[in-house]
Amino acid sequence: AQKITQTQPGMFVQEKEAVTLDCTYDTSDPSYGLFWYKQPSSGEMIFLIYQGSYDQQNATEGRYSLNFQKARKSANLVISASQLGDSAMYFCAMRERDNSKLTFGKGITLSVRP
Amino acid sequence: DGGITQSPKYLFRKEGQNVTLSCEQNLNHDAMYWYRQDPGQGLRLIYYSQIVNDFQKGDIAEGYSVSREKKESFPLTVTSAQKNPTAFYLCASSIGNRFNSPLHFGNGTRLTVT
Repeated sequence: AQKITQTQPGMFVQEKEAVTLDCTYDTSDPSYGLFWYKQPSSGEMIFLIYQGSYDQQNATEGRYSLNFQKARKSANLVISASQLGDSAMYFCAMRERDNSKLTFGKGITLSVRP
Repeated sequence: DGGITQSPKYLFRKEGQNVTLSCEQNLNHDAMYWYRQDPGQGLRLIYYSQIVNDFQKGDIAEGYSVSREKKESFPLTVTSAQKNPTAFYLCASSIGNRFNSPLHFGNGTRLTVT
């Protein structure tokens, strides 16, 4: 079974608006971490934000926030005030306590329109 | 500046040749990883190493080999046994293998085998 699921097709958002990128995950480990990465067309993977399974509050990092719904096993990324430079692929990933590997979803392409 | 250096950025080889991709980090991280990315896909783990002189197979290790003789270096060899070697290869490192440790990535090497 897939551990990380990102099913949205390419997403489009108008500059300065907010956008939500969906991610659902599957694990039986009570201890895990969820990560979001950005991959621009140049190829590098940029770490954006982290949410731990025991964290009581949703993580925030500047314009990025994570809508963490543990019971539904979802960890959606919210980007506020979109900028043209936000156009990229976005990957959700998970790391479990008993497994040092970081497992990635297939990614979502975001395009910001001027 | 601390970071992860992958070289070269582009690599071309003839079918049947082995090729080694370089990965060096000066972040003093214990754990290092190699991922493969195919067009429109997420990242798949090839090999990882948690300490010097030790490494484990990931999900797609067949046709690849690694070594970890120094903490800073984790070279990946793509052998002639790898059926579809053309891909984008990303090296990463993390402070440890705990579930709350993000991976930090290099800029990648794009390998083309003809």
